[in-house]
Amino acid sequence: EPEVTQTPSHQVTQMGQEVILRCVPISNHLYFYWYRQILGQKVEFLVSFYNNEISEKSEIFDDQFSVERPDGSNFTLKIRSTKLEDSAMYFCASSEGFDGLSSHTDTQYFGPGTRLTVL
Amino acid sequence: DAKTTQPPSMDCAEGRAANLPCNHSTISGNEYVYWYRQIHSQGPQYIIHGLKNNETNEMASLIITEDRKSSTLILPHATLRDTAVYYCIVGQNSGNTPLVFGKGTRLSVIA
Repeated sequence: EPEVTQTPSHQVTQMGQEVILRCVPISNHLYFYWYRQILGQKVEFLVSFYNNEISEKSEIFDDQFSVERPDGSNFTLKIRSTKLEDSAMYFCASSEGFDGLSSHTDTQYFGPGTRLTVL
Repeated sequence: DAKTTQPPSMDCAEGRAANLPCNHSTISGNEYVYWYRQIHSQGPQYIIHGLKNNETNEMASLIITEDRKSSTLILPHATLRDTAVYYCIVGQNSGNTPLVFGKGTRLSVIA
């Protein structure tokens, strides 16, 4: 069964450094998402991406964050200058998109996550 | 904020049915009910979703009340591996809709 993959599984970085988290969405999916979960807290939406553009973003997704689809398979989240409070699990998700014919097409499927630790 | 209310925790004996309730009294006519679960700190796993009819798949059944203000996720024969946090989420079935997670229900399956 196709699945979303993420690398690395764990990233440790120093405060102020740039990190890039990578995701490979399910191959025929058109919508891509990033969520994060600070330890012990809820899963929070960061950003959605469609047709090479950001579709929607939350208040958390400020200027230090950016997303990119550099090629036909990868979807990346860059944090420009990491802060201690960026330490969290980051989950990538993808969905096929709604074709108007089926109720099953916009289900979001999540990857296993990248644990980011900022020291 | 999440538009759903779930009990914070439940226990279930292994092999028995686990019935997880969810209230979503402000659900709109075009919003679906989605269920996900999260085991430890793994990525949320999709379970099932529905609009107004009851749904069943290989993992679970979803029972939605006629007024759509509440629903129940049923795991027919819970196993220890079903121990997880279960999230009930309402949202539109259109591309690009962010999922709004609440705190969910922590289900503990007990041997």
